[in-house]
Amino acid sequence: DQQVKQNSPSLSVQEGRISILNCDYTNSMFDYFLWYKKYPAEGPTFLISISSIKDKNEDGRFTVFLNKSAKHLSLHIVPSQPGDSAVYFCAALPSDATNKLIFGTGTLLAVQP
Amino acid sequence: GAGVSQSPRYKVAKRGQDVALRCDPISGHVSLFWYQQALGQGPEFLTYFQNEAQLDKSGLPSDRFFAERPEGSVSTLKIQRTQQEDSAVYLCASSLQTFPSYEQYFGPGTRLTVT
Repeated sequence: DQQVKQNSPSLSVQEGRISILNCDYTNSMFDYFLWYKKYPAEGPTFLISISSIKDKNEDGRFTVFLNKSAKHLSLHIVPSQPGDSAVYFCAALPSDATNKLIFGTGTLLAVQP
Repeated sequence: GAGVSQSPRYKVAKRGQDVALRCDPISGHVSLFWYQQALGQGPEFLTYFQNEAQLDKSGLPSDRFFAERPEGSVSTLKIQRTQQEDSAVYLCASSLQTFPSYEQYFGPGTRLTVT
Protein backbone atom coordinates (compact mmCIF):
# COMPACT_ATOMS: atom_id res chain seq x y z
CA ASP A 1 0.00 0.00 0.00
CA GLN A 2 1.19 3.48 -0.88
CA GLN A 3 1.74 5.41 2.36
CA VAL A 4 2.64 8.63 0.55
CA LYS A 5 0.55 9.58 -2.46
CA GLN A 6 0.90 12.19 -5.15
CA ASN A 7 -2.29 11.92 -7.13
CA SER A 8 -1.39 14.37 -9.88
CA PRO A 9 1.18 12.89 -12.23
CA SER A 10 1.67 16.24 -13.96
CA LEU A 11 1.01 19.97 -13.63
CA SER A 12 1.45 22.82 -16.11
CA VAL A 13 1.77 26.43 -14.93
CA GLN A 14 2.57 29.76 -16.57
CA GLU A 15 5.81 31.49 -15.66
CA GLY A 16 5.28 33.97 -12.83
CA ARG A 17 2.20 32.21 -11.46
CA ILE A 18 1.95 29.99 -8.40
CA SER A 19 2.63 26.25 -8.61
CA ILE A 20 0.89 24.10 -6.01
CA LEU A 21 2.01 20.49 -5.65
CA ASN A 22 0.00 18.21 -3.40
CA CYS A 23 0.76 15.15 -1.34
CA ASP A 24 -1.38 12.95 0.91
CA TYR A 25 -0.26 10.39 3.45
CA THR A 26 -1.93 7.59 5.35
CA ASN A 27 0.38 7.04 8.32
CA SER A 28 0.04 9.39 11.29
CA MET A 29 3.45 8.36 12.57
CA PHE A 30 5.65 10.50 10.34
CA ASP A 31 8.14 12.89 11.97
CA TYR A 32 9.28 14.87 8.96
CA PHE A 33 8.04 15.59 5.49
CA LEU A 34 10.32 16.58 2.66
CA TRP A 35 10.18 17.74 -0.92
CA TYR A 36 12.76 16.73 -3.48
CA LYS A 37 13.19 17.99 -7.03
CA LYS A 38 14.57 15.78 -9.78
CA TYR A 39 15.88 16.67 -13.22
CA PRO A 40 16.32 13.92 -15.85
CA ALA A 41 19.46 11.79 -15.41
CA GLU A 42 20.19 13.36 -12.03
CA GLY A 43 19.49 12.26 -8.47
CA PRO A 44 16.78 13.97 -6.42
CA THR A 45 17.80 17.28 -4.85
CA PHE A 46 16.55 18.20 -1.38
CA LEU A 47 14.34 21.31 -1.50
CA ILE A 48 12.61 21.90 1.80
CA SER A 49 11.40 19.99 4.84
CA ILE A 50 8.84 20.43 7.60
CA SER A 51 8.64 18.87 11.01
CA SER A 52 5.34 17.29 12.00
CA ILE A 53 5.03 19.79 14.86
CA LYS A 54 4.83 22.73 12.46
CA ASP A 55 2.25 23.71 9.88
CA LYS A 56 4.34 25.92 7.62
CA ASN A 57 7.94 26.32 6.53
CA GLU A 58 9.20 28.86 4.06
CA ASP A 59 12.46 29.14 2.12
CA GLY A 60 12.62 31.81 -0.53
CA ARG A 61 10.12 31.03 -3.28
CA PHE A 62 9.22 27.69 -1.69
CA THR A 63 6.69 27.20 1.09
CA VAL A 64 5.47 23.89 2.45
CA PHE A 65 2.15 23.65 4.31
CA LEU A 66 1.20 20.72 6.53
CA ASN A 67 -2.39 19.91 7.48
CA LYS A 68 -2.14 17.05 9.96
CA SER A 69 -5.86 16.57 10.43
CA ALA A 70 -6.28 16.06 6.68
CA LYS A 71 -2.97 14.16 6.37
CA HIS A 72 -2.10 16.50 3.53
CA LEU A 73 0.86 18.64 2.60
CA SER A 74 1.50 20.97 -0.27
CA LEU A 75 4.44 22.77 -1.82
CA HIS A 76 3.88 26.28 -3.14
CA ILE A 77 6.34 27.83 -5.57
CA VAL A 78 5.91 31.56 -6.11
CA PRO A 79 6.71 32.90 -8.63
CA SER A 80 7.23 29.86 -10.83
CA GLN A 81 10.19 29.96 -13.21
CA PRO A 82 10.97 27.80 -16.27
CA GLY A 83 13.98 26.35 -14.38
CA ASP A 84 11.53 24.90 -11.84
CA SER A 85 10.36 22.42 -14.49
CA ALA A 86 11.22 19.01 -13.00
CA VAL A 87 9.68 16.04 -11.20
CA TYR A 88 8.82 16.83 -7.58
CA PHE A 89 8.74 14.05 -5.00
CA CYS A 90 7.09 14.26 -1.64
CA ALA A 91 8.73 12.07 1.03
CA ALA A 92 8.10 11.25 4.66
CA LEU A 93 10.33 10.04 7.49
CA PRO A 94 8.64 7.74 10.03
CA SER A 95 9.01 8.27 13.75
CA ASP A 96 9.89 4.61 14.33
CA ALA A 97 13.66 5.26 14.21
CA THR A 98 14.06 3.27 11.00
CA ASN A 99 15.42 6.35 9.17
CA LYS A 100 13.92 5.21 5.86
CA LEU A 101 12.40 7.85 3.61
CA ILE A 102 9.11 6.89 2.01
CA PHE A 103 8.56 8.59 -1.32
CA GLY A 104 5.49 9.40 -3.37
CA THR A 105 5.39 8.67 -7.09
CA GLY A 106 6.20 12.23 -8.14
CA THR A 107 4.55 15.08 -10.03
CA LEU A 108 6.02 16.43 -13.24
CA LEU A 109 5.87 20.24 -13.17
CA ALA A 110 6.13 22.12 -16.46
CA VAL A 111 6.48 25.90 -16.21
CA GLN A 112 5.62 27.51 -19.51
CA PRO A 113 7.49 30.71 -20.46
CA GLY B 1 32.33 20.80 -3.07
CA ALA B 2 32.02 17.25 -4.32
CA GLY B 3 28.61 15.67 -4.05
CA VAL B 4 27.66 12.03 -3.94
CA SER B 5 29.11 10.12 -6.88
CA GLN B 6 28.07 6.76 -8.24
CA SER B 7 29.67 4.43 -10.75
CA PRO B 8 29.03 3.14 -13.25
CA ARG B 9 26.29 5.51 -14.44
CA TYR B 10 24.88 2.83 -16.75
CA LYS B 11 25.20 -0.92 -16.58
CA VAL B 12 23.81 -3.57 -18.90
CA ALA B 13 23.94 -7.10 -17.57
CA LYS B 14 22.81 -10.38 -19.00
CA ARG B 15 20.36 -12.28 -16.83
CA GLY B 16 22.28 -14.35 -14.33
CA GLN B 17 25.34 -12.11 -14.17
CA ASP B 18 26.56 -10.51 -10.94
CA VAL B 19 26.91 -6.72 -10.76
CA ALA B 20 28.55 -4.32 -8.31
CA LEU B 21 27.47 -0.71 -7.97
CA ARG B 22 29.66 1.82 -6.19
CA CYS B 23 28.77 4.87 -4.13
CA ASP B 24 31.14 7.58 -2.91
CA PRO B 25 29.28 9.66 -0.31
CA ILE B 26 30.02 13.23 0.64
CA SER B 27 33.14 13.28 2.83
CA GLY B 28 32.27 13.16 6.51
CA HIS B 29 28.70 11.98 6.01
CA VAL B 30 27.91 9.36 8.59
CA SER B 31 24.72 7.95 7.12
CA LEU B 32 24.47 6.24 3.76
CA PHE B 33 21.35 4.93 2.05
CA TRP B 34 20.58 2.87 -1.04
CA TYR B 35 17.28 3.23 -2.91
CA GLN B 36 15.82 1.49 -5.95
CA GLN B 37 13.74 3.53 -8.39
CA ALA B 38 11.61 1.74 -10.96
CA LEU B 39 10.33 3.61 -14.01
CA GLY B 40 7.56 6.04 -13.12
CA GLN B 41 7.87 5.41 -9.40
CA GLY B 42 9.47 7.14 -6.47
CA PRO B 43 12.67 5.80 -4.91
CA GLU B 44 12.18 2.84 -2.58
CA PHE B 45 14.40 2.27 0.43
CA LEU B 46 16.78 -0.69 0.27
CA THR B 47 19.27 -0.35 3.11
CA TYR B 48 20.92 2.10 5.54
CA PHE B 49 24.40 2.36 7.06
CA GLN B 50 25.61 4.42 9.94
CA ASN B 51 29.38 4.51 9.47
CA GLU B 52 30.28 0.89 8.69
CA ALA B 53 27.32 -0.63 10.50
CA GLN B 54 24.38 -1.75 8.39
CA LEU B 55 21.49 -0.77 10.65
CA ASP B 56 18.61 -1.62 8.37
CA LYS B 57 18.44 -3.94 5.38
CA SER B 58 14.73 -4.56 5.45
CA GLY B 59 14.19 -3.12 1.96
CA LEU B 60 16.53 -5.50 0.13
CA PRO B 61 14.19 -7.48 -2.15
CA SER B 62 15.96 -10.83 -1.88
CA ASP B 63 19.09 -12.52 -0.63
CA ARG B 64 20.63 -11.87 -4.06
CA PHE B 65 21.11 -8.26 -2.90
CA PHE B 66 24.02 -7.45 -0.63
CA ALA B 67 25.47 -4.10 0.49
CA GLU B 68 28.61 -3.23 2.37
CA ARG B 69 30.48 -0.20 3.65
CA PRO B 70 33.57 -1.73 5.26
CA GLU B 71 35.44 1.46 6.18
CA GLY B 72 32.50 3.73 6.76
CA SER B 73 32.89 5.71 3.54
CA VAL B 74 32.55 4.07 0.10
CA SER B 75 29.71 1.60 -0.25
CA THR B 76 29.05 -1.17 -2.75
CA LEU B 77 25.68 -2.68 -3.64
CA LYS B 78 26.06 -6.13 -5.13
CA ILE B 79 23.36 -8.01 -6.99
CA GLN B 80 23.97 -11.67 -7.68
CA ARG B 81 22.36 -13.64 -10.50
CA THR B 82 20.56 -10.60 -11.87
CA GLN B 83 16.96 -10.95 -13.02
CA GLN B 84 14.96 -8.75 -15.39
CA GLU B 85 12.93 -7.37 -12.50
CA ASP B 86 16.17 -5.92 -11.08
CA SER B 87 16.22 -3.37 -13.93
CA ALA B 88 15.93 0.03 -12.26
CA VAL B 89 17.89 3.09 -11.25
CA TYR B 90 19.85 2.52 -8.04
CA LEU B 91 20.32 5.68 -6.03
CA CYS B 92 22.74 6.27 -3.21
CA ALA B 93 22.26 9.07 -0.67
CA SER B 94 24.32 10.32 2.23
CA SER B 95 23.56 12.49 5.22
CA LEU B 96 25.55 14.28 7.91
CA GLN B 97 22.74 13.46 10.35
CA THR B 98 22.39 10.15 12.11
CA PHE B 99 18.74 10.04 13.12
CA PRO B 100 16.60 11.58 11.80
CA SER B 101 18.39 11.92 8.48
CA TYR B 102 15.93 14.36 7.01
CA GLU B 103 18.47 15.99 4.68
CA GLN B 104 19.71 13.28 2.38
CA TYR B 105 21.90 14.17 -0.58
CA PHE B 106 21.52 11.90 -3.59
CA GLY B 107 23.94 10.80 -6.24
CA PRO B 108 22.98 10.66 -9.94
CA GLY B 109 22.18 6.97 -9.78
CA THR B 110 23.22 3.88 -11.71
CA ARG B 111 20.76 2.74 -14.36
CA LEU B 112 20.84 -1.06 -14.45
CA THR B 113 19.31 -2.86 -17.41
CA VAL B 114 19.12 -6.64 -17.26
CA THR B 115 18.60 -8.30 -20.66
